[in-house]
Amino acid sequence: IAGITQAPTSQILAAGRRMTLRCTQDMRHNAMYWYRQDLGLGLRLIHYSNTAGTTGKGEVPDGYSVSRANTDDFPLTLASAVPSQTSVYFCASSDRSGSYNEQFFGPGTRLTVL
Amino acid sequence: GQNIDQPTEMTATEGAIVQINCTYQTSGFNGLFWYQQHAGEAPTFLSYNVLDGLEEKGRFSSFLSRSKGYSYLLLKELQMKDSASYLCAVRDGDYKLSFGAGTTVTVRA
Repeated sequence: IAGITQAPTSQILAAGRRMTLRCTQDMRHNAMYWYRQDLGLGLRLIHYSNTAGTTGKGEVPDGYSVSRANTDDFPLTLASAVPSQTSVYFCASSDRSGSYNEQFFGPGTRLTVL
Repeated sequence: GQNIDQPTEMTATEGAIVQINCTYQTSGFNGLFWYQQHAGEAPTFLSYNVLDGLEEKGRFSSFLSRSKGYSYLLLKELQMKDSASYLCAVRDGDYKLSFGAGTTVTVRA
């Protein structure tokens, strides 16, 4: 792997179902992030993790949960999906010890909740 | 929280210059980023400013005025491949980014 991968690429989900979006990075970055991107609203932070074993809430955390058991993986779970969670989801990571600490983004998961 | 404003759309001709403005109101400031995002793809890092002034990287330059809460991204010698959305993002003291809604730039021949 090189960089950040996300799975699945796209998914259609029935409302009420549980869904986990996967994110894996191989850059050994300590910080990871989940965003959703909706037309006209830009990227909004859902949850983040500054280091393995810790997580924090972003701007729009309701209905989502995350875990960070190790450095590489940062799954996002929708416990009971609702149509308003239809969006494109991006995972990102950054190296807090780097010069810019810029975030690197995965290719995204397009989720449709019906 | 952060309030970040940028124009929704801009159109320019190939070879021209376009300036994308970004204004922000923040509860904490630890740098400003510009990202490029082509349709259907992930955002990619373009530039970073933390001190006032101009940062130049090839055809792209970014400017910051912290006292005015203002930044701009300057794209010179526009090429068709520059057609994309450009995202302004402000980082807070906890290294979290808040993004503007993005500016879609269309380059016409």
